[in-house]
Amino acid sequence: QVQLQESGPGLVKPSQTLSLTCTVSGGSISSGSYYWSWIRQPAGKGLEWIGRIYTSGSTNYNPSLKSRVTISVDTSKNQFSLKLSSVTAADTAVYYCARAAAAANHLDYWGQGTLVTVSS
Amino acid sequence: AIRMTQSPSSFSASTGDRVTITCRASQGISSYLAWYQQKPGKAPKLLIYAASTLQSGVPSRFSGSGSGTDFTLTISCLQSEDFATYYCQQYYSYLWTFGQGTKVEIK
Repeated sequence: QVQLQESGPGLVKPSQTLSLTCTVSGGSISSGSYYWSWIRQPAGKGLEWIGRIYTSGSTNYNPSLKSRVTISVDTSKNQFSLKLSSVTAADTAVYYCARAAAAANHLDYWGQGTLVTVSS
Repeated sequence: AIRMTQSPSSFSASTGDRVTITCRASQGISSYLAWYQQKPGKAPKLLIYAASTLQSGVPSRFSGSGSGTDFTLTISCLQSEDFATYYCQQYYSYLWTFGQGTKVEIK
């Protein structure tokens, strides 16, 4: 059973860079054909897809965030990461990592989510 | 970006009711649509993909239909554990987008 777990600072100062890691267990992040994604959800609001990284390392980002987002993978640690630069209060949200099979694209496994607050 | 619009945004229902939630895409997305259930403080859970395929382990009272621009999620007999918020998501475009959510509350 695949499991995903987000980790990282819960508080980030405005203008700094938000950094989160998703650790994958129950399977190798480099095996198979999967998209490893980040999604966020501000309190009381809906879901926003941030971006994804394919098993091969290629990436796609939401154009609304593209200039500030980097998603990378560390196969040696079975992890993938999110960096969001120049954050503001509008980036305060619960951040989820999730997996989608490349042949299907629906998000079948999710992490539990981690709250990141942007505040000085 | 493809805009996904759900209706209604929220409604109240009773246990045992048959309920239907609608999701409309701003352009045709074939059957590249998924439905998720989210309970407070929890991650979304995949219910249905490819518009009508039930994810393994999901009760058969959940069903999905539609293609192109109009889709529905139906719960045939609402149970207490089904009170939650439901989201549709399109994956036709590389830019995945979600509907705004439909909250199903207890009447």
